[in-house]
Amino acid sequence: QSALTQPASVSGSPGQSITISCTGTSSDVGGYNYVSWYQQHPGKAPKLMIYEVSNRPSGVPDRFSGSKSGNTASLTISGLQAEDEADYYCSSYTSSSTPYVFGTGTKVTVL
Amino acid sequence: QVQLVQSGAEVKKPGASVKVSCKASGYTFTSYYMHWVRQAPGQGLEWMGIINPSGGSTSYAQKFQGRVTMTRDTSTSTVYMELSSLRSEDTAVYYCARDPPWIDWAFDIWGQGTMVTVSS
Repeated sequence: QSALTQPASVSGSPGQSITISCTGTSSDVGGYNYVSWYQQHPGKAPKLMIYEVSNRPSGVPDRFSGSKSGNTASLTISGLQAEDEADYYCSSYTSSSTPYVFGTGTKVTVL
Repeated sequence: QVQLVQSGAEVKKPGASVKVSCKASGYTFTSYYMHWVRQAPGQGLEWMGIINPSGGSTSYAQKFQGRVTMTRDTSTSTVYMELSSLRSEDTAVYYCARDPPWIDWAFDIWGQGTMVTVSS
């Protein structure tokens, strides 16, 4: 099972909106609504930001939103803030012999 | 509060085994599946497997089949991940992560991570 494909880096200025893509196949992202997004600051454990494509856990700002179209999921951060600078990983359930896969990761830089 | 506390860093020689623990507190241990995820230095996240703390059933990533064993001790609310035949490529931070029953395949609480270094 190959990792889901994400851009290596995305950047934006404070207040701007950015979108991170996560491309898979019909066996994972396209086939199930079990796409999640995690934020990871250096030296820290990942933090759940979005689950089941577009749901936010309690405490996650509504600046973070998720969506999916076909085999590609997206995470949008609106009103970018300095503390949003981190690595972001998508993930999905898959129908393969390894039932869960992460994306390659995207480094978000706030200019 | 809800937390997962993992065991400390380990240094192992190639060919050895390592057993990492993850102690849960603040919630009903048997009601939440637990996953193990690892992250090599400077690399991305890699899913290793899942254990059902209630019955002990497991499912492992194909890559680790035959080398990984996940177990649990309900008396101490602790899950364990043992990886054998270690090689240098297994050097990584290993995380346990909780999977709530109201969310499918997403991890809401993570342990602090355990650094495992494999070196001769």
